[in-house]
Amino acid sequence: GAVVSQHPSRVICKSGTSVKIECRSLDFQATTMFWYRQFPKKSLMLMATSNEGSKATYEQGVEKDKFLINHASLTLSTLTVTSAHPEDSSFYICSASDPAGGPDEQFFGPGTRLTVL
Amino acid sequence: AQKITQTQPGMFVQEKEAVTLDCTYDTSDPSYGLFWYKQPSSGEMIFLIYQGSYDQQNATEGRYSLNFQKARKSANLVISASQLGDSAMYFCAMREDNQGGKLIFGQGTELSVKP
Repeated sequence: GAVVSQHPSRVICKSGTSVKIECRSLDFQATTMFWYRQFPKKSLMLMATSNEGSKATYEQGVEKDKFLINHASLTLSTLTVTSAHPEDSSFYICSASDPAGGPDEQFFGPGTRLTVL
Repeated sequence: AQKITQTQPGMFVQEKEAVTLDCTYDTSDPSYGLFWYKQPSSGEMIFLIYQGSYDQQNATEGRYSLNFQKARKSANLVISASQLGDSAMYFCAMREDNQGGKLIFGQGTELSVKP
């Protein structure tokens, strides 16, 4: 089946630094990718829809200047957490749909665990 | 208003028995899809089963079946013959077809299978 990768899987950084997370579709082209955030034992909250070649669409309450999304190619979307603070510590997961697949074809990356000290 | 509701924060089931995880949803879009995912402690999201709003029959995938009650807007997951490896978080999600493919998730149910 289709595979979505994320890098890094785990990152620890100091407060004030920026962290970039990559999401790649490995064997299909994804015009749209999604970024979710998850706190421990909580639901996945959609942050934004990443569109190849255009600006991302952010959900209400998500700071676009804080969470920069770039979808530079059909296989890569990046999420940059700028000037990270401890409250940004969370599990970030991306997903992508294979346009050639069925209606149930949405594939998730393995997630990135961000810890901001 | 909550679009996807899972009212069971935690559930216990005896190994080899069946268990039902509840999910209700709210949408005015006539075309939508309902998903169930399993999330073990590793964090990966494992797709279990899908039901389209126009599907006439309830979806089944091995030990998983989806009890789709369209009029009641419910999409409960039934796991038959529970195994210890089924212990995990389970999420119900909905995709409204006029919303660009994004998934909206319920709060999740933590299932524990007892030996």
